[in-house]
Amino acid sequence: EDQVTQSPEALRLQEGESSSLNCSYTVSGLRGLFWYRQDPGKGPEFLFTLYSAGEEKEKERLKATLTKKESFLHITAPKPEDSATYLCATDGSGGYQKVTFGTGTKLQVIP
Amino acid sequence: GAGVSQSPSNKVTEKGKDVELRCDPISGHTALYWYRQSLGQGLEFLIYFQGNSAPDKSGLPSDRFSAERTGGSVSTLTIQRTQQEDSAVYLCASSLRSTNEKLFFGSGTQLSVL
Repeated sequence: EDQVTQSPEALRLQEGESSSLNCSYTVSGLRGLFWYRQDPGKGPEFLFTLYSAGEEKEKERLKATLTKKESFLHITAPKPEDSATYLCATDGSGGYQKVTFGTGTKLQVIP
Repeated sequence: GAGVSQSPSNKVTEKGKDVELRCDPISGHTALYWYRQSLGQGLEFLIYFQGNSAPDKSGLPSDRFSAERTGGSVSTLTIQRTQQEDSAVYLCASSLRSTNEKLFFGSGTQLSVL
C-alpha cells in the first residue's frame, strides 16, 4: 500500500527564516509527486507536480525537489502570507484515480 | 463557473439521518473526485468519476455511502444512516481529464453528526 509521511507536523518560522518541509514516500511505480497548499476552511490548491528523481520546480519563494525516496519543499525568506498547511501526495500503482495524501505540515510565519 | 462549488458548506445532522452533499465541477472537466478529510488525517480517497461512470468505488468506507454523477457534471454524495464517525470535511475536486495532475478542489462540506 502506498504511504506518504510528512514532517514536521508543524513548523513556526520568523519572517525571512528559510526552511524545508519533508515528504517521504513508499510507492510502487511512482507516476507523480504533488504538492498542494491548503488554507483554513478551503480546499487544497495545486502547487507543483514532479515526475522523476532530480527534478526541481520553483514558484516565487517555493522550490520543490524530488529524490527516489523523498521530496522537499524549500521555502526561501518566507512571508506571513505563506502560512498554510502544505500537503504532499503521490500518484502510484493504485492508478491515476488514487492519489495518496500525507497529513500535511502546518506552517506559521511570524512577522 | 469559476471554480468547483460544493453545497452545503456546513451540515449538522442527527445520527441515523441521511445526508446529500453536492458538487458542481468546473465546466468541461470530465473527471470528478470525492475525498474525505478528518481532523489530523490526510485526505482519504472515496470515489472517482470519468464522465458519469465510476470505475473506482473502492474507497467508499461502507455500503452506507453512495455517489452519482449526472450529465457529466453535477455529483451527489449520499450518506445513509449517518454515524458520528462520518463527521469530517468532504471535498470534491475536478480535473480536465482522467488524470490526477492539477486537481481543482472545492471548499468542502463540513459534516457534523450529533
